[in-house]
Amino acid sequence: QVQLVESGGDVVQPGRSLRLSCEASGFTFSNHVMTWVRQAPGKGLEWVAIISYDGSYEYYGDSVKGRFTISRDNSRNTLYLQLNSLRAEDTGVYYCARAGEPWTAIAAAPDWGQGTLVTVSS
Amino acid sequence: DIQMTQSPSTLSASVGDRVTITCRASQSVSLWLAWYQQKPGTAPKLLIHKASTLESGVPSRFSGSGSGTEFTLTISSLQPDDFATYYCQQYSSFSLYTFGQGTKLEIK
Repeated sequence: QVQLVESGGDVVQPGRSLRLSCEASGFTFSNHVMTWVRQAPGKGLEWVAIISYDGSYEYYGDSVKGRFTISRDNSRNTLYLQLNSLRAEDTGVYYCARAGEPWTAIAAAPDWGQGTLVTVSS
Repeated sequence: DIQMTQSPSTLSASVGDRVTITCRASQSVSLWLAWYQQKPGTAPKLLIHKASTLESGVPSRFSGSGSGTEFTLTISSLQPDDFATYYCQQYSSFSLYTFGQGTKLEIK
């Protein structure tokens, strides 16, 4: 079955960087658009970034544009999120999710990882 | 940017009640609207996609309707397992997905 496992969350100081990973299995990773979604403590879901199945397109939410970079390695079945210039408001659980239909971003996300916690604090 | 507004933010109800949550989009998203359920400490679970298509394994007491800018999630007869937070999400544009702010369904 589909499995998504995030890693890389940590406690970091403001202004520092972090890279999150999401290892995928149970489906053809290279056929699916992937997204990152985050959730601040006690708050709602916030869409962060999306990447096309082949890595040729990527888009970001306004709050992370210019600071975060989404990427993927289809040979390793792994999705990444590089977080730079971290701020206290970036604190939260980061989830990776798979678009439910191959080849398209116009699809809901039936599969999510368990999340990885990023804490930005001095 | 497309804004998604859910109402109410909090809903108190009893087991057996019929409840409806509304999600409004600031511009048309056609049918590209999903509903998720989230319980504390767990990842969101997809309930409904394409506005009204029930995800496999989701109980039939959940239903979705709407198109364009107005959508609803209905639970026909609340069960104890349904008390959770519900989010709508539009996915009409590759460049920007958006979630509603969430509706917390509480036991009355």
